Amino acid sequence: DAGVTQSPTHLIKTRGQQVTLRCSPISGHKSVSWYQQVLGQGPQFIFQYYEKEERGRGNFPDRFSARQFPNYSSELNVNALLLGDSALYLCASSLSGIEQYFGPGTRLTVT
Amino acid sequence: GQNIDQPTEMTATEGAIVQINCTYQTSGFNGLFWYQQHAGEAPTFLSYNVLDGLEEKGRFSSFLSRSKGYSYLLLKELQMKDSASYLCAVGSSGGYNKLIFGAGTRLAVHP
Repeated sequence: DAGVTQSPTHLIKTRGQQVTLRCSPISGHKSVSWYQQVLGQGPQFIFQYYEKEERGRGNFPDRFSARQFPNYSSELNVNALLLGDSALYLCASSLSGIEQYFGPGTRLTVT
Repeated sequence: GQNIDQPTEMTATEGAIVQINCTYQTSGFNGLFWYQQHAGEAPTFLSYNVLDGLEEKGRFSSFLSRSKGYSYLLLKELQMKDSASYLCAVGSSGGYNKLIFGAGTRLAVHP
């Protein structure tokens, strides 16, 4: 079975630009969560979606937005990029809402 | 507030046993999770405790005391491939399960 997939793997953007990251959950999983992981730290929760509805939002500015599609895939958008947005962005999917399975992540570098 | 503490680094010898401790103070509790993360890779799920006591899964065991806000991950018969970061995370309550992570413990296993 395919695990969680994310694209792209790596991305380099300039300050002020916008970025869209994509995630496909494990087949049958209806919940998708997004996390940001800065080097040397644990992942920080950004959003959780279930059945296309936003279930929760972390302490991130409005420049961060997300959505979930009818096939349960998801996109994370970040506008007006700052240097501090450089991080590994992780997507996790869940069947039960308890165990979360992470994708390989997208490494975003903002210059 | 939300606070999860775990040691920053630990070293151990191949074949030995190591215990990684985690203490937490969170506003909600929906289980205690341990994840393993190799450098540059996504976190992989190791264990989940929601009730007090010890959960054993092969070489890995995890313990939880909710009254003390304390958990540990026990790794037996250490192998070189166990060198990784180990992330302690608390599932929040409130209708959805967001994970609040500690900063992680970097474990180095040497011959």
